[in-house]
Amino acid sequence: AQTVTQSQPEMSVQEAETVTLSCTYDTSESDYYLFWYKQPPSRQMILVIRQEAYKQQNATENRFSVNFQKAAKSFSLKISDSQLGDAAMYFCAYRRNAGGTSYGKLTFGQGTILTVHP
Amino acid sequence: DTGVSQNPRHKITKRGQNVTFRCDPISEHNRLYWYRQTLGQGPEFLTYFQNEAQLEKSRLLSDRFSAERPKGSFSTLEIQRTEQGDSAMYLCASSWELGLNSGNTIYFGEGSWLTVV
Repeated sequence: AQTVTQSQPEMSVQEAETVTLSCTYDTSESDYYLFWYKQPPSRQMILVIRQEAYKQQNATENRFSVNFQKAAKSFSLKISDSQLGDAAMYFCAYRRNAGGTSYGKLTFGQGTILTVHP
Repeated sequence: DTGVSQNPRHKITKRGQNVTFRCDPISEHNRLYWYRQTLGQGPEFLTYFQNEAQLEKSRLLSDRFSAERPKGSFSTLEIQRTEQGDSAMYLCASSWELGLNSGNTIYFGEGSWLTVV
């Protein structure tokens, strides 16, 4: 079974600084996707960024970028120029692509609470 | 596009009662997912549908839990004989996928909070 581990229960950053959230995962599959989702307090979960496993190039979305190390099964999220609105719980998630069983569903890590200090 | 809608948003029930949650996915999304999330934890997969077919159920989904998506549009999640351990947020999500592919974005609703007293 696939597992996703986020070893940092809490992280904090000063506004305008950079912070990196860590994630590792375990899978024997080769065709999968990785995601970072953001869940603000009492609000719905939204997608921050996604990475296709077959792509070597790291995904970027404005101030958000990932460091995808496939061999090490590591998928960290870097937030540059942190803003107060970035404060939230961040979840790393894995999703197997087609074929066999258990494809399609997201498997989440435990989450990292990010605090942004003004 | 109004997003994934869940009702009710909050439900307090007495132990032993039955509760039902409804999810309206984004229109034309063929996949619909249910997750359970407890405070400070990541969501745990419960079940998902492709159109009206229930493709997978987690072992977390005991006999007291049943989910339906009768016409491939909205879905209901019923919990019978609720227990205090059922207290959690129940998240619904949807996506559009072609065939067996699973690469498109999954969109989440705001969740339905259940408190069993």
